[in-house]
Amino acid sequence: QKEVEQNSGPLSVPEGAIASLNCTYSDRGSQSFFWYRQYSGKSPELIMSIYSNGDKEDGRFTAQLNKASQYVSLLIRDSQPSDSATYLCAVNRRSSNTGKLIFGQGTTLQVKP
Amino acid sequence: KAGVTQTPRYLIKTRGQQVTLSCSPISGHRSVSWYQQTPGQGLQFLFEYFSETQRNKGNFPGRFSGRQFSNSRSEMNVSTLELGDSALYLCASSLGLAESSYNEQFFGPGTRLTVL
Repeated sequence: QKEVEQNSGPLSVPEGAIASLNCTYSDRGSQSFFWYRQYSGKSPELIMSIYSNGDKEDGRFTAQLNKASQYVSLLIRDSQPSDSATYLCAVNRRSSNTGKLIFGQGTTLQVKP
Repeated sequence: KAGVTQTPRYLIKTRGQQVTLSCSPISGHRSVSWYQQTPGQGLQFLFEYFSETQRNKGNFPGRFSGRQFSNSRSEMNVSTLELGDSALYLCASSLGLAESSYNEQFFGPGTRLTVL
């Protein structure tokens, strides 16, 4: 079992729709959760961080965390073609390992005009 | 505030050579983490430096090493290069504090290493 799992996709949604990206993790001691966006040929860009159960909203993005189910998700509302990218879920396992992020393989999102 | 910078952006080396990559973190950030990204393995953690000390290490052979200077700039070195070392090498900086709110990592543009 991989430590952080994501569906590789591609996930295809029409412009204006809600894109839902999911991630599960295996270590119950995980404390910090991040979503990065990576365009082809570019480096990852941090778009959301979440640390406690529930929802966290930032503009068109909502991150959801459920530690009991070991599940974190990212919703993108009003998806735009410019949102087409690979979305990486990353988990920081314990507070003592602040510099070590475990990444999922990423989900490719395609937003079609 | 300036972002994370990495030099060089591209490198071509041959097997057996060694290479040194450089990373300058965001001003005020004391933690620098290094990652290797390949199509097959994805993003994998190499090591982290905080206040000039290696604080975490991933599962890479000893050919991969690093260091951090007093100004928080970091270098990583790969010796005796192998074809499989071809990858995008990314560094990320953060405040590096234990509290969750302070461990967000911000990536540099990466160094694309090709080993022939």
